[in-house]
Amino acid sequence: DAMVIQNPRYQVTQFGKPVTLSCSQTLNHNVMYWYQQKSSQAPKLLFHYYDKDFNNEADTPDNFQSRRPNTSFCFLDIRSPGLGDAAMYLCATSRDRERPQHFGDGTRLSIL
Amino acid sequence: EDKVVQSPLSLVVHEGDTVTLNCSYEVTNFRSLLWYKQEKKAPTFLFMLTSSGIEKKSGRLSSILDKKELFSILNITATQTGDSAIYLCAGDHGGATNKLIFGTGTLLAVQP
Repeated sequence: DAMVIQNPRYQVTQFGKPVTLSCSQTLNHNVMYWYQQKSSQAPKLLFHYYDKDFNNEADTPDNFQSRRPNTSFCFLDIRSPGLGDAAMYLCATSRDRERPQHFGDGTRLSIL
Repeated sequence: EDKVVQSPLSLVVHEGDTVTLNCSYEVTNFRSLLWYKQEKKAPTFLFMLTSSGIEKKSGRLSSILDKKELFSILNITATQTGDSAIYLCAGDHGGATNKLIFGTGTLLAVQP
C-alpha cells in the first residue's frame, strides 16, 4: 500500500492560474519535502518541513509556497505558474533528518 | 558548490550481465550517500551508506562507499529486464537543511 500519496497524478493548469498539489503520508514521519524534477534532470529540493518548522531553499522562487496543516498532509502552492514550472513534483518523507527519504509517485504538472 | 556526478550517463547491457554504476560527490557537511531506482514514477529507495568500506547488499544489488575518495559504486549482478531504470545517487547535505543533492542519474537498459 502506498504510504506517501500524491494527488493528483497529473495536473494541467493555465499560465498564471494558481494551482495546489497535495501530499499525504501514513508513516507519521516528522519531515516532509517537496522536490521539482524537470525532464532529464535531477530532483531539486524546493523546501521541507521538520514538524511545523518550514525550511525554504535559497533559490526557490517566491512563486512557490507550502503549507503543512498537520503531520499527515503537506501542500505545494504555485501562485502564478509559468511555462518553466512544468515539471514532475515529488513529495518525500523521512522519520527524521538522518533517515532515508521515501518518495510518493509524483504529480506531473503541465502548463497551457 | 555541492555536486554529485554519475557515470556513465547511460548503459545498455544484456540480461545476465553485471553492471557497475559510479557516483562521485562533493557535498558539504556530508552525512550519507543514497541510491534510488527511478522507473516511470518516483524514486524508490535502495541503499543508504554512511560508513566507508562496508558493503550493503540486497539480492543482486550491492553498494559501497569510499569517503576518502568521495566515491560510491552500485553493482547489479545477473541483470534482468526489470532492472531497466534510471539509478539516482544523492549526497545528504547534513545539518539543519537536510538536503539531498542528486546526480542526474544513469539510465540502464537491460535487453533480453
